[in-house]
Amino acid sequence: DGGITQSPKYLFRKEGQNVTLSCEQNLNHDAMYWYRQDPGQGLRLIYYSQIVNDFQKGDIAEGYSVSREKKESFPLTVTSAQKNPTAFYLCASSEVGPRTGTDTQYFGPGTRLTVL
Amino acid sequence: AQSVTQLGSHVSVSEGALVLLRCNYSSSVPPYLFWYVQYPNQGLQLLLKYTTGATLVKGINGFEAEFKKSETSFHLTKPSAHMSDAAEYFCAVSAQGAQKLVFGQGTRLTINP
Repeated sequence: DGGITQSPKYLFRKEGQNVTLSCEQNLNHDAMYWYRQDPGQGLRLIYYSQIVNDFQKGDIAEGYSVSREKKESFPLTVTSAQKNPTAFYLCASSEVGPRTGTDTQYFGPGTRLTVL
Repeated sequence: AQSVTQLGSHVSVSEGALVLLRCNYSSSVPPYLFWYVQYPNQGLQLLLKYTTGATLVKGINGFEAEFKKSETSFHLTKPSAHMSDAAEYFCAVSAQGAQKLVFGQGTRLTINP
């Protein structure tokens, strides 16, 4: 079955530690995204990538980093510079808009990160 | 720039009653509009989307939404609520051909037996 997987489902981190969240898709989508979700604030875009080896900052990129070495994978690293990292993190993917005309994003199940 | 406003962070209806979740958007270009549903501790699932063409869009689980350009609205409705509809619902907007989605704050739907 095609889809998006995120691991781990729950992640605990001590203050001052970097942690990497995994996102893999087998939908053959070109574009991938990372969102952060906090209660009452909807989803906010952290980073997105439209093609391998290229990515752009979203609205809240400070304290995060990404890489896109493979089409299927878009890992997110939460660094110690992120002052309030406790949140639910969602990965999504889509076909590139201009070719499909729809921009529909499909989401993974999420990773809940808690800083102890 | 685009933005989305969902009116009401929490909506409560009785089982069998009409569900109406409100979404207004702002966009300087023709928008694409989406409704997603999220169950607790899960990702978002697409309910329906409007791109072009027919303004009344039907989605999964009996939901539908109507694009009203004059009112800049894209309200979500379902004629008869079911207990399984209890979840959080997000409205989102993007510009045609753009990659970035802008989400509303979400509306938590509670169904009373």
